[in-house]
Amino acid sequence: EVQVLESGGGLVQPGGSLRLSCAASGFTFNNYAMTWVRQAPGKGLEWVSLISRSGDYPIYADSVKGRFTISRDNSKNTLFLQMNSLRAEDTAVYYCVKGRDYNGMGDAFDIWGQGTMVTVSS
Amino acid sequence: IVMTQTPLSSPVTLGQPASISCRSSQSLVHSDGNTYLSWLHQRPGQPPRLLIYKISNRFSGVPDRFSGSGAGTDFTLKISRVEAEDVGVYYCMQGTQFPRTFGQGTKLEIK
Repeated sequence: EVQVLESGGGLVQPGGSLRLSCAASGFTFNNYAMTWVRQAPGKGLEWVSLISRSGDYPIYADSVKGRFTISRDNSKNTLFLQMNSLRAEDTAVYYCVKGRDYNGMGDAFDIWGQGTMVTVSS
Repeated sequence: IVMTQTPLSSPVTLGQPASISCRSSQSLVHSDGNTYLSWLHQRPGQPPRLLIYKISNRFSGVPDRFSGSGAGTDFTLKISRVEAEDVGVYYCMQGTQFPRTFGQGTKLEIK
């Protein structure tokens, strides 16, 4: 079964850091771009960051650029999101998502995890 | 690219059709000739799931009562006969340019 499973969410104070992980299984991880999408409570979807299949091309939303770092370990089929200088507005469920297109840059997102909640509050 | 959906809420009767529109602020035609417009469905308390990609291609396991159409900047998702499991929020998303962007969402509810 193709699936992704996030972990690492929790409560953190403003200005703090958190590292999310996403374990992938059921597909050839290093053939697909991977992305993080977040959803604030009661709100819509916001794309956060994407990384190419090789890991050489990370791309970020302006709202997180310079604070978040996406990375991947293809030997362990794992995706990461290092989040620094966290703000209250970063509070959201963070979804790990697989890019649909083989060897592409995520023209659509086909496999979504259950999400991990990040709460930034003092 | 700003994605605008209409309506934001759609009460429908079971067995009747439903339609959601999505408009992009600029053309979604990629330099490779493809148009990367997709539709997702999110049931309450669940993660989103992909329904349609590249305007009109149904993802694996998606019932054929769902169809997508459109071109350029105007796109439509149609449900031929709404079933109870179709309730939730529908999002369009463009995959042509970075940053990837989503519509605000359309809430489908049963009358």
